[in-house]
Amino acid sequence: DTAVSQTPKYLVTQMGNDKSIKCEQNLGHDTMYWYKQDSKKFLKIMFSYNNKELIINETVPNRFSPKSPDKAHLNLHINSLELGDSAVYFCASSLHTGQGENYGYTFGSGTRLTVV
Amino acid sequence: GQQVMQIPQYQHVQEGEDFTTYCNSSTTLSNIQWYKQRPGGHPVFLIQLVKSGEVKKQKRLTFQFGEAKKNSSLHITATQTTDVGTYFCAGPPGTYKYIFGTGTRLKVLA
Repeated sequence: DTAVSQTPKYLVTQMGNDKSIKCEQNLGHDTMYWYKQDSKKFLKIMFSYNNKELIINETVPNRFSPKSPDKAHLNLHINSLELGDSAVYFCASSLHTGQGENYGYTFGSGTRLTVV
Repeated sequence: GQQVMQIPQYQHVQEGEDFTTYCNSSTTLSNIQWYKQRPGGHPVFLIQLVKSGEVKKQKRLTFQFGEAKKNSSLHITATQTTDVGTYFCAGPPGTYKYIFGTGTRLKVLA
């Protein structure tokens, strides 16, 4: 049983296209995230949802729109893809303490997006 | 904003040698987490340290949280080829958000 599953694993698309990445977790975690990992391996947070509510929205172009239909799902839609969007996108989930700290992230296997 | 730097950025060691990566935060952290990412894989949670000066061990891995709670280290004794990967620390500058360090890529030569 995969704890955090992302689809698709690979995505190759042309500039200007719109694409979506889906994420589902079966851990019962209350918070889900999208992280972007660039070619230098830097991991940067993009968005976070706690119990379906958007709680973190980092400086991300508004071409990126997350959607959380329920606690177990967090999808990422990207409009008008650009070359610079090429990266690996990781979904993650965690369970939080009452103080907003967590017990560790569980990451999905990632989606390698290549924009040509 | 908060920054979390790790050194070294890269490290090549001969199998059997020890390895240490250091994590330094610009602000005090309430806790720190460590992750390992194998080549082509995803980050996997290793451990969380909470107390000032805390030391935890997992087999050949030793994790330490600094007294001032602004730095941390991961030491691997007698590296093996299975230790290859990128090691990240991560700390919370605020609620619900953990900032990941810049990572240390470890290569182990057999």
